[in-house]
Amino acid sequence: AQKITQTQPGMFVQEKEAVTLDCTYDTSDQSYGLFWYKQPSSGEMIFLIYQGSYDEQNATEGRYSLNFQKARKSANLVISASQLGDSAMYFCAMREGGGSQGNLIFGKGTKLSVKP
Amino acid sequence: DGGITQSPKYLFRKEGQNVTLSCEQNLNHDAMYWYRQDPGQGLRLIYYSQIVNDFQKGDIAEGYSVSREKKESFPLTVTSAQKNPTAFYLCASSIYQGMNTEAFFGQGTRLTVV
Repeated sequence: AQKITQTQPGMFVQEKEAVTLDCTYDTSDQSYGLFWYKQPSSGEMIFLIYQGSYDEQNATEGRYSLNFQKARKSANLVISASQLGDSAMYFCAMREGGGSQGNLIFGKGTKLSVKP
Repeated sequence: DGGITQSPKYLFRKEGQNVTLSCEQNLNHDAMYWYRQDPGQGLRLIYYSQIVNDFQKGDIAEGYSVSREKKESFPLTVTSAQKNPTAFYLCASSIYQGMNTEAFFGQGTRLTVV
C-alpha cells in the first residue's frame, strides 16, 4: 500500500491566489515527520517545510503553511499569494521514526501551474 | 558554499555497459541516499548509507551498487544488470537519519541508454 498519496496529478492557480496541495499518509508509527519539497523544471529538490507528528501547531515558512490533521492523516500544503515562480512539481514525503530507519518516502507529486 | 554536487548532469550509456554517477557533499552529513525518478513518479530509494563503510539496500536496489569509502562521497554504479536504467537520479544527504531531519539534494543526473 502507498504510504504517501497525492491525489492531484496537476493543479492550476491564478497568480496571487492561494492554493492547497493535498497529501495523505499511512503509518502505524507514533513518531514521524512530514516534509514538502518543490522540484522546478531544472530538477533539483528544494525543501519547503516540515511538520513533526508531535507538533501541535501547524508549520509555517513564509508563504508556505502545512495544514496538519493528524486524525485524518493528512498534511496539505497551502501556498498563499501564488507567484509565477511557484510553477513546479511538489512532493510530499514522510520519515518514520521507528524500525524503517527513517528513510524519506515520497508521494508521486502534484504539478502546479500558476497562470498570470 | 556547502552543498551536494552530482556529476555528470547528463550521461549516456550503451547497452551492456556499467556507468558510475558521482555524488559529493561538503555538508559533513552522516547519511547519504540515492533515489531514482521516472516520469510521473515520485522518488524511489535505491541505496542509503548512514555511516562510512556501511550501506543498505532501498526499495529498488537490483542492478545497482554503491560504496561509501569517504564521508563526503557516495558514488552509484548502474550495472548492466539494470534492465531499464533510463531515469533521473538524485543524490541526497542529511545530517543523520532522524525523523525531523530534512534531506538536501543534488542537481541530479539524467541517464539515457542509447
